[in-house]
Amino acid sequence: NAGVTQTPKFQVLKTGQSMTLQCAQDMNHNSMYWYRQDPGMGLRLIYYSASEGTTDKGEVPNGYNVSRLNKREFSLRLESAAPSQTSVYFCASSAGTGTWSGDYEQYFGPGTRLTVT
Amino acid sequence: SQQGEEDPQALSIQEGENATMNCSYKTSINNLQWYRQNSGRGLVHLILIRSNEREKHSGRLRVTLDTSKKSSSLLITASRAADTASYFCASPKTGANNLFFGTGTRLTVIP
Repeated sequence: NAGVTQTPKFQVLKTGQSMTLQCAQDMNHNSMYWYRQDPGMGLRLIYYSASEGTTDKGEVPNGYNVSRLNKREFSLRLESAAPSQTSVYFCASSAGTGTWSGDYEQYFGPGTRLTVT
Repeated sequence: SQQGEEDPQALSIQEGENATMNCSYKTSINNLQWYRQNSGRGLVHLILIRSNEREKHSGRLRVTLDTSKKSSSLLITASRAADTASYFCASPKTGANNLFFGTGTRLTVIP
């Protein structure tokens, strides 16, 4: 049982390059989330998917797109990377679904450390 | 804006002492959760307390919730060096399907 896995662990991009961060969970969870963590800012939600086939914007969605490929996988894409997107990105999942997903604990992946130069 | 704010931002104690961290939040909630993050790692869920509960225990952890003051506290008793980590509170706004995290308390336990 791997839990939540993320790839890659580290990535360096030049401004304007694109990339996709991959996330997968093997706990049969309904909801999945993408966060970014910056020093002094805590975790901020980028996008989430409260059930397979749905995605919604979080607090800081600009510059990102997501795909809920199936129940297991939720990817985050940076179409044109900017230095302001330098951050640590975390994927998480929870058993909740729909409106009351916030009532469930979240399980986090190990993170992807992204640097945009 | 942040739903939760932890206090203090940083805390340093000797091994064996108790550590108390506080969290204040802004809107009504169904539950409040505490997470731990070791350096360079993802967050790990510690405990969830529901809005109709006042206190909850899990091993050396004790969490209290005061909905009238919109605040919660996390007490770690008999701390160990392995408790060195950042601790975050998180809560959903009522009816929301995601969590809002605070900025965290950095706890250092000195052996």
